[in-house]
Amino acid sequence: DIVMTQSPDSLAVSLGEGATINCKSSQSVLYSSNNKNYLNWYQQKPGQPPKLLIYWASTRESGVPDRFSGSGSGTDFTLTISSLQAEDVAVYYCQQYYGPPFTFGQGTKVEIK
Amino acid sequence: EVQLVESGGGLVQPGGSLRLSCAASGFTFSNYWMHWVRQAPGKGLVWVSRINSDGSSTNYADSVKGRFTISRDNAKNTLYLQLNSLRVEDTAVYYCARASTYCGGGRCYRASNDYWGQGTLVTVSS
Repeated sequence: DIVMTQSPDSLAVSLGEGATINCKSSQSVLYSSNNKNYLNWYQQKPGQPPKLLIYWASTRESGVPDRFSGSGSGTDFTLTISSLQAEDVAVYYCQQYYGPPFTFGQGTKVEIK
Repeated sequence: EVQLVESGGGLVQPGGSLRLSCAASGFTFSNYWMHWVRQAPGKGLVWVSRINSDGSSTNYADSVKGRFTISRDNAKNTLYLQLNSLRVEDTAVYYCARASTYCGGGRCYRASNDYWGQGTLVTVSS
């Protein structure tokens, strides 16, 4: 199974400042047939289901604000929030979609400093 | 509008069974692969199972293999998860989620879970 490890477990950021979350997979999630990294990012607010933010490591889902961006390839990935807003307080998860089991990272809690 | 509505959760004793349902609407259900993901109280997301569009292929997490069964009824636009031999550690909110599909160059790729239901709580306790 592919193990997904996020860092940090939590971070506190001032409003308007940037936030960076890292995700590392135990093996490459780059799919050779289409040259896509099968790495997703989700946001989960309390009492709500997860919401897809980013797929294929860097493609923003429709309707997601452009302050959210994803980068990385192979085994190392990053989610960046360029200017934190109050509504961005949530837990963020990475997930590999390379193959079953489709494992998630442990989550990173983002709070306002 | 895409909607996924789970039902069937509840309180069950260890060793018991439950069947969860996920009613889908707003899209052509029979064209999409579907997943179940669970989340224990205060914990992270854990992938449980996947089924392809016609129900002929399934995958399971090791922790539920042999105890849980995923299925679907495309005529009823409904996804199911049969939970047998339940354990205390199966206590969680169970979400159904659609697998996004992107097609190009004569092939289709499933890339993520783009729509999720609100979840149904399963509590296993004596």
